[in-house]
Amino acid sequence: DTGVSQDPRHKITKRGQNVTFRCDPISEHNRLYWYRQTLGQGPEFLTYFQNEAQLEKSRLLSDRFSAERPKGSFSTLEIQRTEQGDSAMYLCASSLGPQTRGYGYTFGSGTRLTVV
Amino acid sequence: DAKTTQPPSMDCAEGRAANLPCNHSTISGNEYVYWYRQIHSQGPQYIIHGLKNNETNEMASLIITEDRKSSTLILPHATLRDTAVYYCIVPESNFNKFYFGSGTKLNVKP
Repeated sequence: DTGVSQDPRHKITKRGQNVTFRCDPISEHNRLYWYRQTLGQGPEFLTYFQNEAQLEKSRLLSDRFSAERPKGSFSTLEIQRTEQGDSAMYLCASSLGPQTRGYGYTFGSGTRLTVV
Repeated sequence: DAKTTQPPSMDCAEGRAANLPCNHSTISGNEYVYWYRQIHSQGPQYIIHGLKNNETNEMASLIITEDRKSSTLILPHATLRDTAVYYCIVPESNFNKFYFGSGTKLNVKP
């Protein structure tokens, strides 16, 4: 297993278009997280899955954003009607257990979205 | 919100030890301290974590004070490739996720 994979690495889209990103976590990891990072800032939490269940969503995740993890394996993050403010790096991470019990995240390389 | 406080930036000479401090004065007894780093345009990379005891791995050492209110990440022989933003994270007991603050930008200079 080569870690967490994200696809695509880069995406340029026109304002108003829909985009979808994919994340493949480490196979035995049942927890999956999405973060967003803008220039000069630390990553911001968006949402979290345990297996196929989406257990938490940040208020940053507006109704234009939707995330799924249909079979508890890979996950997709869709942004509808993109806006220039959506331009950011979208990071996916997975873990084997809870951070409060000493399980860290493994991050992917991220998808950089540019909305023009 | 992040429970940690870190200096915004630090410089270190190549080959010298880099000591990155982190203040987590509100930490609870069962909360871990994690360190990650992020090299420009890449995803954050795990470095080390600890609960009460000092920890060492092939990348770094983590020194946690006895009262657990602060910690120091030590890179024993910094190289130019260690230039990155270093994040100290303490996930709260009720929240099984990481909040990232702004981190410390470490500049390793020749």
